[in-house]
Amino acid sequence: DIQMTQSPSSLSASVGDRVTITCQASQDISNYLNWFQQKPGKAPKLLIYDASNLETGVPSRFSGSGSGTDFTFTISSLQPEDIATYYCQQYDNLPLTFGGGTKVEIK
Amino acid sequence: QVQLQESGPGLVKPSETLSLTCTVSGGSISSDYWSWIRQPAGKGLEWIGRIYTSGSTNYNPSLKSRVTMSVDTSKNQFSLKLSSVTAADTAMYYCARMLRGVHDYWGQGTLVTVSS
Repeated sequence: DIQMTQSPSSLSASVGDRVTITCQASQDISNYLNWFQQKPGKAPKLLIYDASNLETGVPSRFSGSGSGTDFTFTISSLQPEDIATYYCQQYDNLPLTFGGGTKVEIK
Repeated sequence: QVQLQESGPGLVKPSETLSLTCTVSGGSISSDYWSWIRQPAGKGLEWIGRIYTSGSTNYNPSLKSRVTMSVDTSKNQFSLKLSSVTAADTAMYYCARMLRGVHDYWGQGTLVTVSS
């Protein structure tokens, strides 16, 4: 199985701050990586697919980059409604695997 | 707008079989892959497996011996069976559409508790 290592596991930032989350794959996954946002009690929501493509309707403050084994997810200006846990997920190989999640809180 | 809704018992006894159904509305199930994903309380996401509308399946090796998925295109539904459950199978279970590798539509999730 491909292991997805996300960091940090949690972070606290102020409204307006730039927030960056990293995801590292245990082997080359090209750009077959998605990012999800999950709010408490809700299903995950797709934000970014194929490492850098913004899903329709998702605010442009969210972005993703990377390829191969190293990926980055960025919120350019943190908003109160962005409080959530964020997950990366690879789909290069089965079984599909998720990162451990990053919980984002407001300072 | 595609919508998915999970249904099934919220309580299952240890050693019995968990059975869930996902009903798809707002679109046809007759294309794409359809996945099951679970999440124990306070923990991360685990992909259980997927089924194509032809009935072809791929399961997570960690659960493969206990998982069966099926699809009923006439009802726009697909289903999950997980046998010999234990407390470790207690989780929120989600169904999702998988379009070209991307889970773009998800159900709201259904909590399944394994307890006697």
